[in-house]
Amino acid sequence: GAVVSQHPSRVICKSGTSVKIECRSLDFQATTMFWYRQFPKQSLMLMATSNEGSKATYEQGVEKDKFLINHASLTLSTLTVTSAHPEDSSFYICSASSGSDYGYTFGSGTRLTVV
Amino acid sequence: LAKTTQPISMDSYEGQEVNITCSHNNIATNDYITWYQQFPSQGPRFIIQGYKTKVTNEVASLFIPADRKSSTLSLPRVSLSDTAVYYCLVGDRDTGRRALTFGSGTRLQVQP
Repeated sequence: GAVVSQHPSRVICKSGTSVKIECRSLDFQATTMFWYRQFPKQSLMLMATSNEGSKATYEQGVEKDKFLINHASLTLSTLTVTSAHPEDSSFYICSASSGSDYGYTFGSGTRLTVV
Repeated sequence: LAKTTQPISMDSYEGQEVNITCSHNNIATNDYITWYQQFPSQGPRFIIQGYKTKVTNEVASLFIPADRKSSTLSLPRVSLSDTAVYYCLVGDRDTGRRALTFGSGTRLQVQP
């Protein structure tokens, strides 16, 4: 089946630094990728949608200059959290779609802790 | 997108059948019902999807009444490893260009 690899699985960074999270579709071409954020005991909240070769569409309240999304190829999307602060600590999850019938596959998530 | 309502939490014991019901009164004609499972610190995993009546796979069954205003995910003989959050999603079976919207989910705790 479709596999999405997300890396790293966990990262700890200092406040003010930037962190890049990668999301790769291993065995299919992901025309669309989605980035979610999940705080403890809460549901997944959509941050942005990105189509290969296009600028990402951000959800209301998500700062596009803080959460940089790049979807330069059909198999790779990256989320960079710039100038991270402790309130950015969360679980970040990517999802990729091949565009086929209900083809959503999720990555395993990245636990970001900003200290 | 149709709003869904499901219990916040449920408790069960190993070996029992668990039924989680989801209400979606405003489901549209083109909408499908899909259930996802999420373990702690992992991404959601697709469990089952259906449009009407009953769907069964190796993991679960999905019961959908004729009016489609609710659905029930049935997990036969749960084990400790079924402890997870279960999400009910309703939406049309589009090409995957629109993001999935997750509700609050049901936190299932299976006891020995």
